[in-house]
Amino acid sequence: RKEVEQDPGPFNVPEGATVAFNCTYSNSASQSFFWYRQDCRKEPKLLMSVYSSGNEDGRFTAQLNRASQYISLLIRDSKLSDSATYLCVVTPGNQFYFGTGTSLTVIP
Amino acid sequence: DTEVTQTPKHLVMGMTNKKSLKCEQHMGHRAMYWYKQKAKKPPELMFVYSYEKLSINESVPSRFSPECPNSSLLNLHLHALQPEDSALYLCASSQASSGITGELFFGEGSRLTVL
Repeated sequence: RKEVEQDPGPFNVPEGATVAFNCTYSNSASQSFFWYRQDCRKEPKLLMSVYSSGNEDGRFTAQLNRASQYISLLIRDSKLSDSATYLCVVTPGNQFYFGTGTSLTVIP
Repeated sequence: DTEVTQTPKHLVMGMTNKKSLKCEQHMGHRAMYWYKQKAKKPPELMFVYSYEKLSINESVPSRFSPECPNSSLLNLHLHALQPEDSALYLCASSQASSGITGELFFGEGSRLTVL
């Protein structure tokens, strides 16, 4: 069983749409959770950490459900510049487990 | 700009060559990582150094040899690679402490082509 399972995608959405990604994780001891964004041929960059109480950064909202062991990312009012691959990352300690990534394309 | 610096950005090598990838960070992080990433795949963990000691080796072939000369530097020595080793090699660092771990900071990567 994989440590982290992520929506396969790809997601193709029009500008202005709301899109949501989910990840489930298998290790209940996981302590830290993140969403990373990766543009084509670039390194992954932190989009946001995910906190137990949920957190919002502008158009982005991340949520954590420890009981069901999943994390989610909601993007509102999608922009063309949001087109990228989104990776969920889970860590039970000093080893980071990546989801397979979900490709998002925002269409004009 | 990334605070993790990798060199070279691009490397082309033959199967008999010996080369090294270098990584440097000055954030005081005590955990450093090598990842390998193929196209349209997530980063795949290769090695983890914690407090300058190798703590994780994900069954990586011996043609890849990591080295951590000090807390700021991480090298990956390459020898007798195969064409299928062509990939983006990403270095990353994080705070290393018991309990909660901070985020991963990635370098821009070294794009390796093995001919």
